[in-house]
This record gives sequence, C-alpha cells and structure tokens, in this order.
Amino acid sequence: GAVVSQHPSWVICKSGTSVKIECRSLDFQATTMFWYRQFPKQSLMLMATSNEGSKATYEQGVEKDKFLINHASLTLSTLTVTSAHPEDSSFYICSADGTGGSGAKNIQYFGAGTRLSVL
Amino acid sequence: KQEVTQIPAALSVPEGENLVLNCSFTDSAIYNLQWFRQDPGKGLTSLLLIQSSQREQTSGRLNASLDKSSGRSTLYIAASQPGDSATYLCAVRDSGYSTLTFGKGTMLLVSP
Repeated sequence: GAVVSQHPSWVICKSGTSVKIECRSLDFQATTMFWYRQFPKQSLMLMATSNEGSKATYEQGVEKDKFLINHASLTLSTLTVTSAHPEDSSFYICSADGTGGSGAKNIQYFGAGTRLSVL
Repeated sequence: KQEVTQIPAALSVPEGENLVLNCSFTDSAIYNLQWFRQDPGKGLTSLLLIQSSQREQTSGRLNASLDKSSGRSTLYIAASQPGDSATYLCAVRDSGYSTLTFGKGTMLLVSP
C-alpha cells in the first residue's frame, strides 16, 4: 500500500534556530503534498499545499517566510520552520495526494507526524 | 466554505457497547469522505473511505455510512474494545479540490 514517510518524528530545538521536516512518498509519485499543523486536542489545520515544481499555496494566516516549503521532486516535500519560537511548538503532519498505482487517485496518504518542541 | 462538525466531542463507554459517531458537512458537493483514527501523539490511520457514489463501507467491526444529500456520515463501531480508545476524525474532500476539511474529532474512551 501507499506509504508516506515523515522525518524526523520528534525534534527539540532552541529558539531562533531553523528546523527542516521531510515528507516522502515511498512507493508512489505525488505531484501534490500537504502540510498540516495540529495543536493539542485540536483538529488538523491545513497550512499549505505543496505542488511539485512550483510555489506552495499557503492558507490564510500562515506566514510564507516563516514556513518555507520546497517540493523539488515527485516524492519529496520539505517544510522548514525558520527562526523557530516556542509558539511554533506543535505537531506537524504531511500528506501526499495519490496519482495512481500504489497511491490511488484523489486520496491523501498521511505521514506519522513530527512533534516540534522549541525551547 | 466547507465546514465539518463531529458529534459528540467526547464519548466514554464500557467495553462491549455498540456506538455511533456522527459527522456532518455543510456542502454536499463532495468527492469522498474519510474516517481516520488518531492515537495520542501519533499520526493518522485511515479507517474507511467512502466515495460520493457509495452509501457505506465496512471493515471488520467498523461500518461507515454516507448520506450525501443530507450532508451526514456515521461511523458505527460494534462491540467496542479498550483498544478502540482514540480520537476519530472525519474528513471531507470537496469535488474539484484536492484539500481535505477535517472535523474536530470525537475522543472515544472504552473502559474495561
């Protein structure tokens, strides 16, 4: 079945540093990937839609310069939290949109998430 | 804009009970609806996916129904077990869009 790998699963960093999170579709190509943020006991909130080879589309209220998204290949999207601060501490989850084969079309496959703690 | 509501927000039941989780959505022009399970601090596990043309899907003790015209879906869990304790999320994919809209979830606790 379709597998999305997200790395790292947990990261602790100092305030002011940047953190990169990777999202890979292992057995299918994904022209579109998504990044979500989840606060404790809250649902998933879409941050941005990442399209291979083009700029990401950010949801209203999400700072483009703070959350840099790169989707340079059909199997990899990265989210970089720049100059992280304690308020950026959250659970970040990525997903990849299936395009066929192992990843059925019009279905999002989710990574296991990354817990970011900024001290 | 699509809005997804899940009721109840939390549910506590003794082991063995059959239970129903509810999901409603405001725009019936959907492509599909998906039910997920999320354990504390973990990612999402897809449980059932219902295409807009389908009425229900079943997997083991789980059964999900979809009434697109009324904007409702239910997740039925038969003979609940303590291992079913988790948060259950409903998500809708609108027609013509690739994004999902999530409900806030139902937190289920099944006690032995």
